[in-house]
Amino acid sequence: AQRVTQPEKLLSVFKGAPVELKCNYSYSGSPELFWYVQYSRQRLQLLLRHISRESIKGFTADLNKGETSFHLKKPFAQEEDSAMYYCALNNDYKLSFGAGTTVTVRA
Amino acid sequence: DAMVIQNPRYQVTQFGKPVTLSCSQTLNHNVMYWYQQKSSQAPKLLFHYYDKDFNNEADTPDNFQSRRPNTSFCFLDIRSPGLGDAAMYLCATSRAAAFNNEQFFGPGTRLTVL
Repeated sequence: AQRVTQPEKLLSVFKGAPVELKCNYSYSGSPELFWYVQYSRQRLQLLLRHISRESIKGFTADLNKGETSFHLKKPFAQEEDSAMYYCALNNDYKLSFGAGTTVTVRA
Repeated sequence: DAMVIQNPRYQVTQFGKPVTLSCSQTLNHNVMYWYQQKSSQAPKLLFHYYDKDFNNEADTPDNFQSRRPNTSFCFLDIRSPGLGDAAMYLCATSRAAAFNNEQFFGPGTRLTVL
């Protein structure tokens, strides 16, 4: 069965410091992974997807099949990055979400 | 702007009194989902419609039902809400692409059960 694990419930960093959100998955096939973000009082929205290999708002995430990980990274955190972040695995049109990590960026 | 709309944004109901939550979309997506999200928890999929085909998750209580009268609208019916059903309910849509299946979420309806 597929599973997504986000080991950190809370993450607090200073502005300008690097931030890394961990995500590990278990899946028998070829995984399709996403990071979704929910800013305060806003809807859940896609941040980035592994297939695109893109950088969004300075965030990147690399799929490591050997370690079954899809960690989200940003070299210099900004205050506007404070939000809830969910790692998600797509399986047959359905998303399995990790428990989420609340990121607080302090000035 | 094409989007996913949920009404109402806040719903208060009494224990045991049926309630219906509404979702509409202008994206013309063929898949619509309903999630339950409790405080500080991840969204939990209740069920989804692929076109007119209803797909229930194995652990979704019978108390929860859904209707999709057309492509644009989907409803969540809670037949006899209990205190444990108080949560945020999220509607989402997708194109059901075989790969790269992004889901678009509505703002949610916060349900309070008194």
